Amino acid sequence: QKEVEQNSGPLSVPEGAIASLNCTYSDRVSQSFFWYRQYSGKSPELIMSIYSNGDKEDGRFTAQLNKASQYVSLLIRDSQPSDSATYLCAVNWSGGSYIPTFGRGTSLIVHP
Amino acid sequence: ETGVTQTPRHLVMGMTNKKSLKCEQHLGHNAMYWYKQSAKKPLELMFVYSLEERVENNSVPSRFSPECPNSSHLFLHLHTLQPEDSALYLCASSQDGRGYNEQFFGPGTRLTVL
Repeated sequence: QKEVEQNSGPLSVPEGAIASLNCTYSDRVSQSFFWYRQYSGKSPELIMSIYSNGDKEDGRFTAQLNKASQYVSLLIRDSQPSDSATYLCAVNWSGGSYIPTFGRGTSLIVHP
Repeated sequence: ETGVTQTPRHLVMGMTNKKSLKCEQHLGHNAMYWYKQSAKKPLELMFVYSLEERVENNSVPSRFSPECPNSSHLFLHLHTLQPEDSALYLCASSQDGRGYNEQFFGPGTRLTVL
């Protein structure tokens, strides 16, 4: 069974620090990877997508993918209290599947 | 309206009631999804429709019945639910569901079953 694992946290970092969120997945037959942010009581919203090995940067966010080690990470630079949320990792599997698998999410707290 | 909309936003129902959740996407997407999100649990995929055809039914109890009349609308019909069905029900859409496409979520319906 394909699985996506995340540390539930909470991960607590001071304002201005780098927050590092990690995600591992169980199957090498994976195609695309997504990070969603979910504020309490709200629905998930897409932060980053990454499809090939290496880093992808978008503003303060950097996604890192290592398919050989089966992990994907999200770095948030200059963390702000408004970044406090749950971050969901999602993996889409190849083979024509329509089914993304979500991790449980990591709770991030950025304290002033 | 833009993005993905869901109605109602909150619903309280008894175990003998019949109700329906509605989702509409204004993104021109071809795939739509229903998810259940309970506290402390990962998102649970319930149903997937692609071009109005159901392509996945993830062993969901028959008291949940989906309907997709066209590529922009998705319904979840509810009947004789149990208290453990209380959760946030999220609708999402994607371009075509073929792996590379991110999902766009609606605001969700907070369901409470008494």
